[in-house]
Amino acid sequence: DAKTTQPPSMDCAEGRAANLPCNHSTISGNEYVYWYRQIHSQGPQYIIHGLKNNETNEMASLIITEDRKSSTLILPHATLRDTAVYYCIVRVVGAETSGSRLTFGEGTQLTVNP
Amino acid sequence: GAVVSQHPSRVICKSGTSVKIECRSLDFQATTMFWYRQFPKQSLMLMATSNEGSKATYEQGVEKDKFLINHASLTLSTLTVTSAHPEDSSFYICSASIPLSRYGYTFGSGTRLTVV
Repeated sequence: DAKTTQPPSMDCAEGRAANLPCNHSTISGNEYVYWYRQIHSQGPQYIIHGLKNNETNEMASLIITEDRKSSTLILPHATLRDTAVYYCIVRVVGAETSGSRLTFGEGTQLTVNP
Repeated sequence: GAVVSQHPSRVICKSGTSVKIECRSLDFQATTMFWYRQFPKQSLMLMATSNEGSKATYEQGVEKDKFLINHASLTLSTLTVTSAHPEDSSFYICSASIPLSRYGYTFGSGTRLTVV
């Protein structure tokens, strides 16, 4: 899987949008961008994923650049409960069918302040 | 759907004893499960991959005789920390791959192990 680079930490005011960047310049054509988050002392939670089109769900939006070398996770109205470590992972979809492992980088510690 | 239940959530044990952590898939069959370890302020580190009915594959540097993994059924994988020492104190997380699912992987809630 391609390597990703994320800032170690970010702050955001409650109610404002949180924009978390991720660089994945070595991404391959068949690799998707996945985002997970881990709230303190819990297991990681799936947020969203995408290939090349922008994606939106009930939790967040994912913006992927045209060259696919970077992406941004957007939490439109951050709350205190969104304080967590956010992991950007690039991997081949379907790899789980062969038991391919999921490896985590350092992620971004997002702190939402009141 | 696709829930993985991990128990216990928290355990304290004495040095030299063994501790078993269970990971169950509640509504799907988990052919492959993964075990991670996480130290404070660090990312998740993959320890091993277990496939139902076969021996686990351990990552480099992980002692297979110390961290025994059993995946005897499609819904249960266990991690046993044998002869635990204080340096084994950590947050252990299991995960299962979910074929044909957009999520890809689902995670247990983790087990906080403290060895005293």
